[in-house]
Amino acid sequence: DAGVIQSPRHEVTEMGQEVTLRCKPISGHDYLFWYRQTMMRGLELLIYFNNNVPIDDSGMPEDRFSAKMPNASFSTLKIQPSEPRDSAVYFCASRSTGNSNQPQHFGDGTRLSIL
Amino acid sequence: QKEVEQNSGPLSVPEGAIASLNCTYSDRVSQSFFWYRQYSGKSPELIMSIYSNGDKEDGRFTAQLNKASQYVSLLIRDSQPSDSATYLCAVKGRRGGATNKLIFGTGTLLAVQP
Repeated sequence: DAGVIQSPRHEVTEMGQEVTLRCKPISGHDYLFWYRQTMMRGLELLIYFNNNVPIDDSGMPEDRFSAKMPNASFSTLKIQPSEPRDSAVYFCASRSTGNSNQPQHFGDGTRLSIL
Repeated sequence: QKEVEQNSGPLSVPEGAIASLNCTYSDRVSQSFFWYRQYSGKSPELIMSIYSNGDKEDGRFTAQLNKASQYVSLLIRDSQPSDSATYLCAVKGRRGGATNKLIFGTGTLLAVQP
């Protein structure tokens, strides 16, 4: 079975540019999570969706960040305009419904560098 | 105070020894606890979960939970060089929407020396 698929794997761009990260969750999973990982702050939850609806976006750092989930098989995380401090690894994870102790399955991540 | 705290390490142990990884959490009502392993440049993967006080064993791994002390640990017996990775402790909230959120520590880097 295919796992969580993220694209691109690497992104290097100049500050001020728009960045769009993409995620395809595991088929049948109703929860989708976006995380950011840095050395200083570790793995932080940015936002999560349930059945395509954003449930908690309290981790989104600023209005420059936005996330959408137009259907059950696709989500985007957008940064506009990007800044050097946004450089990090961004992970998408999905989980099946039911017992909330079900494990989250992570994608391979997008390594983002803002110059 | 951070919600989930771990010593960043590195924790260096010789091959065959027991590696002990520790984690403390601040929210007393937390009910579910997880250990994820993350190899360098890779994504986190779940290796253990524990919900009740005491020990839970799975192969060479043992998770220990003490809710009164707000402390959870992971023991790795017979450590192998392939266990060298960062180990992330994660705590799940109990109330409302927090039951779907995992709060991660910053991780402990384990280095098993051959």
